[in-house]
Amino acid sequence: EAQVTQNPRYLITVTGKKLTVTCSQNMNHEYMSWYRQDPGLGLRQIYYSMNVEVTDKGDVPEGYKVSRKEKRNFPLILESPSPNQTSLYFCASSLWVGNQPQHFGDGTRLSIL
Amino acid sequence: GENVEQHPSTLSVQEGDSAVIKCTYSDSASNYFPWYKQELGKRPQLIIDIRSNVGEKKDQRIAVTLNKTAKHFSLHITETQPEDSAVYFCAASSGNNDMRFGAGTRLTVKP
Repeated sequence: EAQVTQNPRYLITVTGKKLTVTCSQNMNHEYMSWYRQDPGLGLRQIYYSMNVEVTDKGDVPEGYKVSRKEKRNFPLILESPSPNQTSLYFCASSLWVGNQPQHFGDGTRLSIL
Repeated sequence: GENVEQHPSTLSVQEGDSAVIKCTYSDSASNYFPWYKQELGKRPQLIIDIRSNVGEKKDQRIAVTLNKTAKHFSLHITETQPEDSAVYFCAASSGNNDMRFGAGTRLTVKP
């Protein structure tokens, strides 16, 4: 089944404790992206990747890092999480560049205390 | 950069009525306009999209219209059903690897 898989689905952690949210897709998509969803703000892009070893900042990249060592994986790293990063995070992928239908993962709800 | 505004933020209709959600965008280079439906606790899922070389697209009860001159596009849902209740997001992309989303519209269809 074609899908985007995120882990974990839920995480409660404390300020400053490094965490990684994994994202994997099995559709051989070139383009992958991370979004955060906050009430009243819609989906805001954090980082995106056009291909292996190619990543770029989206609208809200501060406090986040990403890597794309393999086509299928695009982890989101919070080196020193803070409470303002408490949010619902979605990974998405599309066949190639951003103006294609995006397939979303099931989301990761992060709470930073 | 691109800015997408979406209205209304909430919309309540009676079952069987039509619902219309409107979005405006700022970047005239935008050429791809998808609509996503997000049910409570679920991921956003594409329901319809339109490209800038087309003015209207229909898929059963759902249609999208695009006015490039005015830089706005709209989602139309006819004969609404309770299962249409969800949050709907519009988005715009210029192909420069960006995708900007509107803030969302919470649609409630009352039986």
